[in-house]
Amino acid sequence: AQSVTQLGSHVSVSEGALVLLRCNYSSSVPPYLFWYVQYPNQGLQLLLKYTSAATLVKGINGFEAEFKKSETSFHLTKPSAHMSDAAEYFCAVTYAGGTSYGKLTFGQGTILTVHP
Amino acid sequence: DVKVTQSSRYLVKRTGEKVFLECVQDMDHENMFWYRQDPGLGLRLIYFSYDVKMKEKGDIPEGYSVSREKKERFSLILESASTNQTSMYLCASSGTVPTRQYFGPGTRLTVT
Repeated sequence: AQSVTQLGSHVSVSEGALVLLRCNYSSSVPPYLFWYVQYPNQGLQLLLKYTSAATLVKGINGFEAEFKKSETSFHLTKPSAHMSDAAEYFCAVTYAGGTSYGKLTFGQGTILTVHP
Repeated sequence: DVKVTQSSRYLVKRTGEKVFLECVQDMDHENMFWYRQDPGLGLRLIYFSYDVKMKEKGDIPEGYSVSREKKERFSLILESASTNQTSMYLCASSGTVPTRQYFGPGTRLTVT
């Protein structure tokens, strides 16, 4: 079984500050990990994904995440927040098994607020 | 450009009504998924389908059923809508390898 925990349901930063959204996963097999973003009244968009290649993954809009197996973490960062980054962010995990069918297990979500 | 569409953005139904939510993808994907999204709970998988006419229960299938008669279309059915099914419903699709899922814009269903 797999699970995802996102630490902090709400994160607030000032414009220009570092963004750090935390994600820890549990998986009995090597995971594939994803970060999605959801803007108000929209579906989810993929920010980035880890699929067992490089452990530091770069995504869209200046976001990146580092896969740390020893810490079972996949935290999302951005050096400098922009007002347009305000949204809800979801971490998700799946695995490459024959019966996974790409099913994703999602974290509870983190709402990012960016103050001027 | 990749596209997943859902039949309605907003829907209001009465308790006891039969409700159909439709999802169509244009990417020839094998896998399709229905989630419901509630504040503080993230997305929870209701049902998924890995081929035409094939379906599997997700984590919260109670009160729902699905239909996949064609590869591009996956329907979620609420046989008798209840107020606790008021939620945002998201459809997604993906290819054969465990890669990204593509999401539709969502349907916000209110049951009164």
